[in-house]
Amino acid sequence: RKEVEQDPGPFNVPEGATVAFNCTYSNSASQSFFWYRQDCRKEPKLLMSVYSSGNEDGRFTAQLNRASQYISLLIRDSKLSDSATYLCAVDRAQGGKLIFGQGTELSVKP
Amino acid sequence: DADVTQTPRNRITKTGKRIMLECSQTKGHDRMYWYRQDPGLGLRLIYYSFDVKDINKGEISDGYSVSRQAQAKFSLSLESAIPNQTALYFCATTSGHATGELFFGEGSRLTVL
Repeated sequence: RKEVEQDPGPFNVPEGATVAFNCTYSNSASQSFFWYRQDCRKEPKLLMSVYSSGNEDGRFTAQLNRASQYISLLIRDSKLSDSATYLCAVDRAQGGKLIFGQGTELSVKP
Repeated sequence: DADVTQTPRNRITKTGKRIMLECSQTKGHDRMYWYRQDPGLGLRLIYYSFDVKDINKGEISDGYSVSRQAQAKFSLSLESAIPNQTALYFCATTSGHATGELFFGEGSRLTVL
């Protein structure tokens, strides 16, 4: 079993839809959590960190559930430009060894 | 200019050849990483280095070696390339501070025939 696992994709949604991704992690010692976005054939870029209390950045909301060992990403009012692969990442020690999930592909259609 | 530069960007080689992928960064970070990406498998950590004298194996280090020549340079070598090492390779760097943000290079696409 992979240390970090994500919902299988692809997710195909219409513009304006709300979509949620989950990501589970197996190591309870994990300390830091992140969502990265990767456009086709490009390098991943940090979308947002995930804080214990949950956090929001515009249309994006990230949540952490330590008891069940998962993180989630909610995208509201999807835009065509949100089409990308979303990767969750988990770090046992801050700035240490960042382990990624396999990624979930999102395609937003007109 | 990019903060993290990888060379070559694309390479086609034959089984058994030695290949080196190079990475340099201008962010002044101590921590550098090599990942490979395969369809459906996400990013998998090959090696990482917290400073010039520190090298650590990641999830999939077999068949690879690395060299940290300077704070800004971290190279990945395939001593004898095999077809299942065909992948997209990313170098990344971070400061190690609480944000944990990794800054990636643009990737090196390697094809082993």
